[in-house]
Amino acid sequence: DTGVSQDPRHKITKRGQNVTFRCDPISEHNRLYWYRQTLGQGPEFLTYFQNEAQLEKSRLLSDRFSAERPKGSFSTLEIQRTEQGDSAMYLCASSLQRGWVADTQYFGPGTRLTVL
Amino acid sequence: AQSVTQLGSHVSVSEGALVLLRCNYSSSVPPYLFWYVQYPNQGLQLLLKYTSAATLVKGINGFEAEFKKSETSFHLTKPSAHMSDAAEYFCDGANSKLTFGKGITLSVRP
Repeated sequence: DTGVSQDPRHKITKRGQNVTFRCDPISEHNRLYWYRQTLGQGPEFLTYFQNEAQLEKSRLLSDRFSAERPKGSFSTLEIQRTEQGDSAMYLCASSLQRGWVADTQYFGPGTRLTVL
Repeated sequence: AQSVTQLGSHVSVSEGALVLLRCNYSSSVPPYLFWYVQYPNQGLQLLLKYTSAATLVKGINGFEAEFKKSETSFHLTKPSAHMSDAAEYFCDGANSKLTFGKGITLSVRP
């Protein structure tokens, strides 16, 4: 069990640029979640996948944000035309859904995005 | 729908004192409840979880929580606070996405 990994750990970009983050979940986990956390706040849910299907998206996820999990393993989160308000820590988590109850979510270290 | 409420946003205790962080839930079905912790500049990690197997749940770092159905509570406790316990604590109940809220900031005074 290598845990959830995220890449890159830090990203600095200029306003208007596109960025893409990657998350590799724990290998047997079928659920993958994306959250965003700003300073002094708890993580806010963005979206989640069960296998390759995106089951829910938060209203926080504007049309500039898109997430994929094409093969039900790793996931990418892309932000197009970044804005300074996008600066945050982007967290990925994974869990194993069994029946109607999802197991513990295991979090990655996060990708810290700074938009200049 | 299940909802979970963390009571208070900031708790300050002296080193060696009892830690009590309060969490209440509302639900008509047996919940699955979690406490997560986020240490400064670190990622979120599970502290403990309740899955109906036992009402007293022991977690990492000496923390435990007791599920009390009569009070619809799942308060987090630790008998003796340590400076290293200073962190953000989040209570949640989940079947899918977690809705953390702001969490409870625990400060430990020397």
